[in-house]
Amino acid sequence: NAGVMQNPRHLVRRRGQEARLRCSPMKGHSHVYWYRQLPEEGLKFMVYLQKENIIDESGMPKERFSAEFPKEGPSILRIQQVVRGDSAAYFCASSPRQTFYEQYFGPGTRLTVT
Amino acid sequence: QQQVKQSPQSLIVQKGGIPIINCAYENTAFDYFPWYQQFPGKGPALLIAIRPDVSEKKEGRFTISFNKSAKQFSLHIMDSQPGDSATYFCAASPPTSGTYKYIFGTGTRLKVLA
Repeated sequence: NAGVMQNPRHLVRRRGQEARLRCSPMKGHSHVYWYRQLPEEGLKFMVYLQKENIIDESGMPKERFSAEFPKEGPSILRIQQVVRGDSAAYFCASSPRQTFYEQYFGPGTRLTVT
Repeated sequence: QQQVKQSPQSLIVQKGGIPIINCAYENTAFDYFPWYQQFPGKGPALLIAIRPDVSEKKEGRFTISFNKSAKQFSLHIMDSQPGDSATYFCAASPPTSGTYKYIFGTGTRLKVLA
């Protein structure tokens, strides 16, 4: 059973460009969480999604950030007009429906904004 | 009230020692407390987790001790090995119905000397 997959693993964007981060949950998992980790810090919750629904986006910045989890395909975290402060590691985690409190993390996407 | 305070920030032990990492929380409604292990450049891996109705849980060399009245929980690593050198994060899940968005501690960087 493959784990949570994220791509790309590394992403370099210039200020003002868009970044798209993809997350494929583990097979059978229907819950996806996105977290951001700044250097030398813990992970901060951003958004929680189920298929076709945003359940909780209380950790998302109000502007430039959006997330989706379509019926088919991976979950996508989109950052428009990136700034240097967006440089971080972005992790997604997935949970099974039955034990949705257990979160399994992917390897992360390391975004660098130049 | 939504913070999780983790200590120490870093820890060095000899092989075979028992490192102890502590976490404290304020919100008594938190109901799920996982620990994660993270190696450089990797995603966090779920180690072990506990709920407040249990005072201790063991899985292999890892033990969680939970003190509900003190609102503290700790991770003990028995017979530590150099391969255990990693950053460890505690987390807690706030009482939002159906949404297990974790609040993470700031991490403990553990080094086990050979």
